[in-house]
Amino acid sequence: GESVGLHLPTLSVQEGDNSIINCAYSNSASDYFIWYKQESGKGPQFIIDIRSNMDKRQGQRVTVLLNKTVKHLSLQIAATQPGDSAVYFCAENPLGGFQKLVFGTGTRLLVSP
Amino acid sequence: DAGVTQSPTHLIKTRGQQVTLRCSPISGHKSVSWYQQVLGQGPQFIFQYYEKEERGRGNFPDRFSARQFPNYSSELNVNALLLGDSALYLCASSAGTGSYEQYFGPGTRLTVT
Repeated sequence: GESVGLHLPTLSVQEGDNSIINCAYSNSASDYFIWYKQESGKGPQFIIDIRSNMDKRQGQRVTVLLNKTVKHLSLQIAATQPGDSAVYFCAENPLGGFQKLVFGTGTRLLVSP
Repeated sequence: DAGVTQSPTHLIKTRGQQVTLRCSPISGHKSVSWYQQVLGQGPQFIFQYYEKEERGRGNFPDRFSARQFPNYSSELNVNALLLGDSALYLCASSAGTGSYEQYFGPGTRLTVT
């Protein structure tokens, strides 16, 4: 079945470090992937997306890498700040015809000053 | 520009009751999707509506229904509430269906007692 998993439930880093959050997906037909940030009591906030015809995409302080060979997705956050502390979800869209994002359980990022 | 808005923010209902949740998408967006997020888990897809038509349905019972209005706002209805329906209900909007960015609202916290 469809599933999106995360390798680490909690990641603790120091302010200024680079963070890497990993995600494995199981549906090789998925053609679209998104990373979301969710702070306590709020809805998921869009961070960055990538389509299956790409292997890397960069945003402001964030980079998403896609390895279709091993069905792996990662989010890199440069110079992590305390405001980056949140739960991060990766999500895949396994069907191109409509949107049905499949989310994992999330990784909690804790940034210490 | 206003983001996705949802109402009410919080809601407390008793078992067996019915509830209606509301969502207004980002201006210009024609697609609305609903997700259920149980505490500690990632969001689970319930429905997608695009141009007032249901485009996708997740693995939820028939007690869950939704509709989209001509102005693209949407309602999610849940009948015969169960304790297990307690969750954060999220609405997401996007410009189209398929591989488009989805932006989430703040959610409605439903508690069933």
